Amino acid sequence: KQEVTQIPAALSVPEGENLVLNCSFTDSAIYNLQWFRQDPGKGLTSLLLIQSSQREQTSGRLNASLDKSSGRSTLYIAASQPGDSATYLCGIYQGAQKLVFGQGTRLTINP
Amino acid sequence: NAGVTQTPKFQVLKTGQSMTLQCAQDMNHEYMSWYRQDPGMGLRLIHYSVGAGITDQGEVPNGYNVSRSTTEDFPLRLLSAAPSQTSVYFCASSSLVGTGNTIYFGEGSWLTVV
Repeated sequence: KQEVTQIPAALSVPEGENLVLNCSFTDSAIYNLQWFRQDPGKGLTSLLLIQSSQREQTSGRLNASLDKSSGRSTLYIAASQPGDSATYLCGIYQGAQKLVFGQGTRLTINP
Repeated sequence: NAGVTQTPKFQVLKTGQSMTLQCAQDMNHEYMSWYRQDPGMGLRLIHYSVGAGITDQGEVPNGYNVSRSTTEDFPLRLLSAAPSQTSVYFCASSSLVGTGNTIYFGEGSWLTVV
């Protein structure tokens, strides 16, 4: 059974810092990996999708990497802003659309 | 374009009552699913559907029923609510055509069973 772990559970950093969020998984036979953002009281918003054959994806200040052999993915956020404060979730696709989620990292960016 | 719409937003039930959480999407997506989110547990898949008339169980299906009579709608039924079903429920949808499709989530339904 795939297990997904995100450490730390919470992270607080000053505005402007670069930061890395971690996601680890136990079964390297993954379909795709997706990073999501969740604001308080809201649903999930898709950020970056890394397909199984890819090693990284970039969108603006966000960069996600995937290393299947070590069972790890990282989400790098450059020049953090208070608007980046949210919970970030890592999801592993088991098959085309079924997701297994980590518990999330609650990120606070302090002005 | 409304995306994925869930109703109700909040609901309080008594133990043993039944209710239906509604989910509708207007993107003509084949795939729809229900997740529950509990503190410290992340989101867990309850049921999913790959098209009208086709449903299947996810990781935590007990106590829940689903049906998919149309492409647009995927209701989740709680037959006899239990306090363990107190949670936040999310509906999601995506296209199955091609690869790397974006999955869209609703805003959630907060359910409390007392």
